[in-house]
Amino acid sequence: DVKVTQSSRYLVKRTGEKVFLECVQDMDHENMFWYRQDPGLGLRLIYFSYDVKMKEKGDIPEGYSVSREKKERFSLILESASTNQTSMYLCASSSGGNEKLFFGSGTQLSVL
Amino acid sequence: GQSLEQPSEVTAVEGAIVQINCTYQTSGFYGLSWYQQHDGGAPTFLSYNALDGLEETGRFSSFLSRSDSYGYLLLQELQMKDSASYFCAVRGTNNAGNMLTFGGGTRLMVKP
Repeated sequence: DVKVTQSSRYLVKRTGEKVFLECVQDMDHENMFWYRQDPGLGLRLIYFSYDVKMKEKGDIPEGYSVSREKKERFSLILESASTNQTSMYLCASSSGGNEKLFFGSGTQLSVL
Repeated sequence: GQSLEQPSEVTAVEGAIVQINCTYQTSGFYGLSWYQQHDGGAPTFLSYNALDGLEETGRFSSFLSRSDSYGYLLLQELQMKDSASYFCAVRGTNNAGNMLTFGGGTRLMVKP
């Protein structure tokens, strides 16, 4: 079974803190994604990566950056957390044409 | 850009059939996907339609009409465990390239 593992299930941070969300996949997928999920808004793409050290902005990249130093690992970074970044963050991976994404269980981030 | 419309909530009884509709607007179109997400869980892939018509997988079927920019997910012989949120997602061309854009999700409640 494909496994996408996110390092934390729940995270509480203070405004202005630097936050790292980690994601690891074990299926040698080329593509990895970070989404945030908010009620009524569905899943919105923050950043994605189609190869090591490559990254592309999604629909809502402002306030975020990413790092992909190894194929299996994709990190989301909040340089200076703000309260409007309180959300559920979902990591996903896929291969080929992205018809099928495999998601992690998510990290519920609260910024106080 | 891309946008998708789906009902926010649907209620049905156990054993019944329910249809969840999805209309989309996109510049460039590759396919329509459906994902299921139980409360507290990760979204999981259900189906993908690239061509017009009906795709059946067990109790679930998915339909696509590219000329109408419309699709639906059909769930038959509803079971309590089908209570979940269902997301349609379009694979098209947007600022982020060839990536998935998700709808806001439909919460399905199955009653005994």
